[in-house]
Amino acid sequence: EAGVTQSPTHLIKTRGQQATLRCSPISGHTSVYWYQQALGLGLQFLLWYDEGEERNRGNFPPRFSGRQFPNYSSELNVNALELEDSALYLCASSPWGGAQPQHFGDGTRLSIL
Amino acid sequence: EDQVTQSPEALRLQEGESSSLNCSYTVSGLRGLFWYRQDPGKGPEFLFTLYSAGEEKEKERLKATLTKKESFLHITAPKPEDSATYLCAVFKDDKIIFGKGTRLHILP
Repeated sequence: EAGVTQSPTHLIKTRGQQATLRCSPISGHTSVYWYQQALGLGLQFLLWYDEGEERNRGNFPPRFSGRQFPNYSSELNVNALELEDSALYLCASSPWGGAQPQHFGDGTRLSIL
Repeated sequence: EDQVTQSPEALRLQEGESSSLNCSYTVSGLRGLFWYRQDPGKGPEFLFTLYSAGEEKEKERLKATLTKKESFLHITAPKPEDSATYLCAVFKDDKIIFGKGTRLHILP
């Protein structure tokens, strides 16, 4: 069974640009979660999508947005990039929402110059 | 405020030296507690889910326990390959709240 896959592995941008990160969940999983893991801050919840709808979002500004496609894959968009957006962005999936274990991909390392 | 606190932040053990990692939480309406292992440059790997106080789960050298206010991850006779960051997380209100993790280093 293929795990959660994320692309690209690394992404380098400059301040003010826009970044798009992609995630393919485990086959059969309908829920996709996005997290930011910045140095020293731990994993911070960003967004949760299920069945194509945004179900919940964390304490991040609106320039962090995303969507989920009919095949349950997802993309995270970050507009007007700032230096502090440099982090590892992790995607996770679970069979459905709720208190289910989430299975993570290996992330996209976003570096802002 | 909902919080998940892990201690210690870092732990160095000799191979074979058993110990415990702590995860305390101040979350009302807990619906599940999760333990993950994260290796450098990788995403977290799921280890255990605990749903109610008194519950225990085991996997190889690891055993997780849960009380009403905290969870412990016991590591028995660890090996160098157990070196990693161990993350605790609680589920509440349709999101997971992670602790900052314990960095575990097992010396051969």
